[in-house]
Amino acid sequence: GAVVSQHPSRVICKSGTSVKIECRSLDFQATTMFWYRQFPKKSLMLMATSNEGSKATYEQGVEKDKFLINHASLTLSTLTVTSAHPEDSSFYICSASSGLSSPLHFGNGTRLTVT
Amino acid sequence: DQQVKQNSPSLSVQEGRISILNCDYTNSMFDYFLWYKKYPAEGPTFLISISSIKDKNEDGRFTVFLNKSAKHLSLHIVPSQPGDSAVYFCAARKGGGADGLTFGKGTHLIIQP
Repeated sequence: GAVVSQHPSRVICKSGTSVKIECRSLDFQATTMFWYRQFPKKSLMLMATSNEGSKATYEQGVEKDKFLINHASLTLSTLTVTSAHPEDSSFYICSASSGLSSPLHFGNGTRLTVT
Repeated sequence: DQQVKQNSPSLSVQEGRISILNCDYTNSMFDYFLWYKKYPAEGPTFLISISSIKDKNEDGRFTVFLNKSAKHLSLHIVPSQPGDSAVYFCAARKGGGADGLTFGKGTHLIIQP
């Protein structure tokens, strides 16, 4: 079945530094990938839609200059948290679909801790 | 504005019995509904889905029912097993899949032996 790989699974960084999270679709091509964020005991919130070959579409309230998304190929999207602050600490999850009529499959998530 | 609602934060069911998880939605543009299972510190795992043109979809122990007029769907798990203990998210999609999913807040299902 379709598999989405996300790396790293955990990262701890100092305030002010940048962190890059990778999301790969392993056995299918994904023209669109989605990035979600989950706060403790909360639902998954869609942050942005990553489109291969074009700019990402951000949800209201998400700072595009802080959360840089690059969809470099049909199998790779990256999320870079720039100038991270403690409030950016969260669980970030990417997802992709192999087709419009197919369900979204999720990566295993990245636990980001900013100290 | 919570477009997908799971009003039960937790549910406890005895092993072997039926688990029924409920979900309500407000946006009539949603045309595809999904259930995901999630363990802590892991990404959600897809369980089962249903298109808005159907009212029931079954896959093994999992059945999803959709009542469009009531804007309500439910996930039935029977018989419930200890490994089913997890958080279950209801999700909805519109636009034929071009948009991301909208999730409910989840229901923590606890299967008791």
